[in-house]
Amino acid sequence: DTGVSQNPRHKITKRGQNVTFRCDPISEHNRLYWYRQTLGQGPEFLTYFQNEAQLEKSRLLSDRFSAERPKGSFSTLEIQRTEQGDSAMYLCASRWGQGIEQFFGPGTRLTVL
Amino acid sequence: KQEVTQIPAALSVPEGENLVLNCSFTDSAIYNLQWFRQDPGKGLTSLLLIQSSQREQTSGRLNASLDKSSGRSTLYIAASQPGDSATYLCAVSPFGNEKLTFGTGTRLTIIP
Repeated sequence: DTGVSQNPRHKITKRGQNVTFRCDPISEHNRLYWYRQTLGQGPEFLTYFQNEAQLEKSRLLSDRFSAERPKGSFSTLEIQRTEQGDSAMYLCASRWGQGIEQFFGPGTRLTVL
Repeated sequence: KQEVTQIPAALSVPEGENLVLNCSFTDSAIYNLQWFRQDPGKGLTSLLLIQSSQREQTSGRLNASLDKSSGRSTLYIAASQPGDSATYLCAVSPFGNEKLTFGTGTRLTIIP
């Protein structure tokens, strides 16, 4: 069990560029979650998947954000036309369907210049 | 809408002291409550999870309690050490166990 992994760990981009993050959940975890954490705040829920189906999206997830989980394995989170307000830590978590605990990855820190 | 509050926002204590961190939530219809630790610039490490039917959980020097009726949880740390310095976050999940709602955390500093 290698845990939840996220890549890249850090991303610096210029305003207006597109970025994509990847999350690999723990093997056999069918639920996958994305959260965003800004400086000094707790993480905020963005969206979650059960297998390949995206079941809920927060209103924080504007139309510039899109998340996918093809084949129900890894997931990607894309931000188009990045803005400085998108600078944050993006956290991914996964959970086994019958389990009660979400396991978090190390996060991807995005800095938009 | 569930809201989670953690007080104080920051706490400094001398090494060796026992301490209590507080977490309160507005909607008592929760499935479970988790306490996490976060080191600067890092992800979240789960410390303890209390299911709604439980009153407390213990792991080593850590003890977490849950009082659903009053919407409160406490994390007790015994014999604090400098390595305990970190931000501690609590989070609750609704029935259905999706979408954790987090507090803003307590930044703990243990003074050697």
